[in-house]
Amino acid sequence: DAGITQSPRHKVTETGTPVTLRCHQTENHRYMYWYRQDPGHGLRLIHYSYGVKDTDKGEVSDGYSVSRSKTEDFLLTLESATSSQTSVYFCAIAGTGETQYFGPGTRLLVL
Amino acid sequence: ILNVEQSPQSLHVQEGDSTNFTCSFPSSNFYALHWYRWETAKSPEALFVMTLNGDEKKKGRISATLNTKEGYSYLYIKGSQPEDSATYLCAFSGGYNKLIFGAGTRLAVHP
Repeated sequence: DAGITQSPRHKVTETGTPVTLRCHQTENHRYMYWYRQDPGHGLRLIHYSYGVKDTDKGEVSDGYSVSRSKTEDFLLTLESATSSQTSVYFCAIAGTGETQYFGPGTRLLVL
Repeated sequence: ILNVEQSPQSLHVQEGDSTNFTCSFPSSNFYALHWYRWETAKSPEALFVMTLNGDEKKKGRISATLNTKEGYSYLYIKGSQPEDSATYLCAFSGGYNKLIFGAGTRLAVHP
């Protein structure tokens, strides 16, 4: 299994609070991704990174920001959480090929 | 916005039945088509990557075909078993290490 961890695995927060999710990899892969999983939509890309300090927006980036200061860590921040951001968040990594390897997911509930 | 469609949305079959489902994707700017298997409460796992028109891939009882000219891929499962129950995702790539996922086909195999 690819060495990917996500933290926290579960989080409950209140509307308006900031939330940061962490993705950590031990594979030294260049590419890292944040997705959210919603019923009827499969996986939708929020942001991705193609190297340290190199990031770009995905399909559903509004309300989210990311940072990658080290190869192994990719942080996803919800600046001011809203109920519509209740979801399961998956991190993925990819090396020289395009196959993506997924972390275990973080379940976020915004009340 | 590129659209990747999967059909059917869900499928119920009996153990031993063979089944297939479809992924439709844009036929222009094609680079690769990925299939993933996603069991409940787990993370998506890569099944196949296909890049050439006419490609066929096989892993055990699961196989996939690719038609890039008309923009579709089929996934086949021969002799379905209860352990095949999962959501099957396809993902389109136009290159640049970004995947666009379909909403998935949820397969339930009943003993």
